[in-house]
Amino acid sequence: NAGVTQTPKFQVLKTGQSMTLQCAQDMNHEYMSWYRQDPGMGLRLIHYSVGAGITDQGEVPNGYNVSRSTTEDFPLRLLSAAPSQTSVYFCASSGTTFGELFFGEGSRLTVL
Amino acid sequence: RKEVEQDPGPFNVPEGATVAFNCTYSNSASQSFFWYRQDCRKEPKLLMSVYSSGNEDGRFTAQLNRASQYISLLIRDSKLSDSATYLCVVNRGYGGSQGNLIFGKGTKLSVKP
Repeated sequence: NAGVTQTPKFQVLKTGQSMTLQCAQDMNHEYMSWYRQDPGMGLRLIHYSVGAGITDQGEVPNGYNVSRSTTEDFPLRLLSAAPSQTSVYFCASSGTTFGELFFGEGSRLTVL
Repeated sequence: RKEVEQDPGPFNVPEGATVAFNCTYSNSASQSFFWYRQDCRKEPKLLMSVYSSGNEDGRFTAQLNRASQYISLLIRDSKLSDSATYLCVVNRGYGGSQGNLIFGKGTKLSVKP
């Protein structure tokens, strides 16, 4: 019962470094998305995808890239990390348009 | 007015108490509504969807008031294990895309012995 798997769970970066947060789901869900959660801000949508080869921007896309080459995987790339990107990142997937979102356990990123 | 607003709390209640949370939304075109639960340092999980007719799941009751644009969550006979942050989620669009989901900042509940 893997569901949505995110790696790494913890990461410390220096300003300017790049990295990729991995997200994989084994439920054959078409919809996948990335959120960031900051204290007092709630969950904010970064990017989302409605199927392989299709991605779109959410509320806070700047500084992040995504791609969706397969149904299972939806990696999030930080191009040049900034301290403002220190956050907890959640990947989520859903099997239907109005359906339940299944979240990964989160990735805690600190940018120094 | 923010798209989705919740009282951040914390709500500190004794075991066995009844507690209610409200969530207001600004877009009258919003189509679907949910309550998610998030335990400390964990991922959010769906608690219940909110239907127009209202719905109940055990000790939890969700209501939707479209005229006043709010949804509510009632928890009866609170348990220690109900301590968590409750997130109100609204799908604001006609198209049903996941990109249209708006999360409230959450209401923190702490149930004390």
